[in-house]
Formats: sequence, structure tokens, C-alpha cells
Amino acid sequence: DQQVKQNSPSLSVQEGRISILNCDYTNSMFDYFLWYKKYPAEGPTFLISISSIKDKNEDGRFTVFLNKSAKHLSLHIVPSQPGDSAVYFCAASARGTSYGKLTFGQGTILTVHP
Amino acid sequence: GAGVSQSPSNKVTEKGKDVELRCDPISGHTALYWYRQSLGQGLEFLIYFQGNSAPDKSGLPSDRFSAERTGGSVSTLTIQRTQQEDSAVYLCASSLGVAAYIDYNEQFFGPGTRLTVL
Repeated sequence: DQQVKQNSPSLSVQEGRISILNCDYTNSMFDYFLWYKKYPAEGPTFLISISSIKDKNEDGRFTVFLNKSAKHLSLHIVPSQPGDSAVYFCAASARGTSYGKLTFGQGTILTVHP
Repeated sequence: GAGVSQSPSNKVTEKGKDVELRCDPISGHTALYWYRQSLGQGLEFLIYFQGNSAPDKSGLPSDRFSAERTGGSVSTLTIQRTQQEDSAVYLCASSLGVAAYIDYNEQFFGPGTRLTVL
């Protein structure tokens, strides 16, 4: 079963506009969420994270929003730049013995056009 | 080294052969993880090591898969009697540790090993 889902396989945005990437999860035990960015032939790189005790975390152009009641999180990139074009994965983890294990979504390919 | 390194970067093998994939984590990182990404899929957790604790092997798909971490540093993922469905990119990651502290869960990934089983 897919516990973390990214329902949009791809997203195309104009440079300077906002990019919004969405992620849904089903496991209520998840309490820590992360976004990773991946370029071709490279490993994913950490972008931003949020704990379940917060509903928003901001880092420069990147903001992650968490809606626990809806089991939904989103990543906003403002303004979008061509260098942001990559695959974006959301991931989740739960405290306890499984805390080190990240469950990833399928990824969303973001293309930012100049 | 500055980051997580993995070797080889590419591996082509014949069905039924054994393969070993190597991961060198970031120095000082006590937690090490293996994932794989099959074509068109997300990253699938395989196994993680945390210090001297027993590894979490819950993600290993079959008993043909095993992993070791020697001296709390380098790790080797071994796949015995490879099958075509084992073809994927195998990613290793490390982190400072696994704890209640939020920052400790940031995982740093290597570039991966692309395994192709013919």
C-alpha cells in the first residue's frame, strides 16, 4: 500500500511564478515530513522539513505547509527558477523503532520554463 | 570525504549472479540507510543501521538481499542469485543519528548504483 502519495507526476511552471507540489499520506503515525529534490544521475538532496507540531516551515523561497487533519502537505516555491527543475519527493517518518525509516512518495517532475 | 560515496556507479550482471554494492557514509554519521528506486517508482526503503543496534531489515524484499556494516562505517549490500526485477538504482544515505531531535533525521544521499540484471 502506498502510504505517501504524490498524485501529480509532473508540473510545469513559468519562471517567476509559484510552484505548488502536493503530497498526501495515510499513516497517522507519521510525525515528521521532508521534501527532497533530485537531479538526474544524482542522489536526492534534502530541501526542507516539518514536524507535526508545526503547520508551516519556511526557508528562503521554499515553504512547506502541513494540514494534519487532511493528512496533506505541500511545498511552495516562490519565485520559481529554471534551476528548480528537478524531481521532488516528499517523505515521512514515524517516531519509535521505525524513526529512521523514510517512506517516500513517487515523486513529481517540476519543469520551470524561462 | 565531503559526501556519501557509492561504488560501483553502474553494474551490469547476468541473472543468477551475486552482486555487492558498497557505500561509504559521511564521517561521523552513525545512521546508514539503503533504498532502491525502480523505474518509474519512488524510493523504497530496504534496511537501516543505527550505531550498534540491530539493523531494521523490514524493507528487504527477499532473503536474497542482505547488508552488513563493518566498524560502524562502510556498508555492503549483497544481492544473491540476481533476478531481472532486481534492476534498479540502489541508493545509500547516512545521517548524524536517529533521535527525537528533528535535525538528526536529515539523510544525505549518495549518487546511487545503477544495477542492470540481464
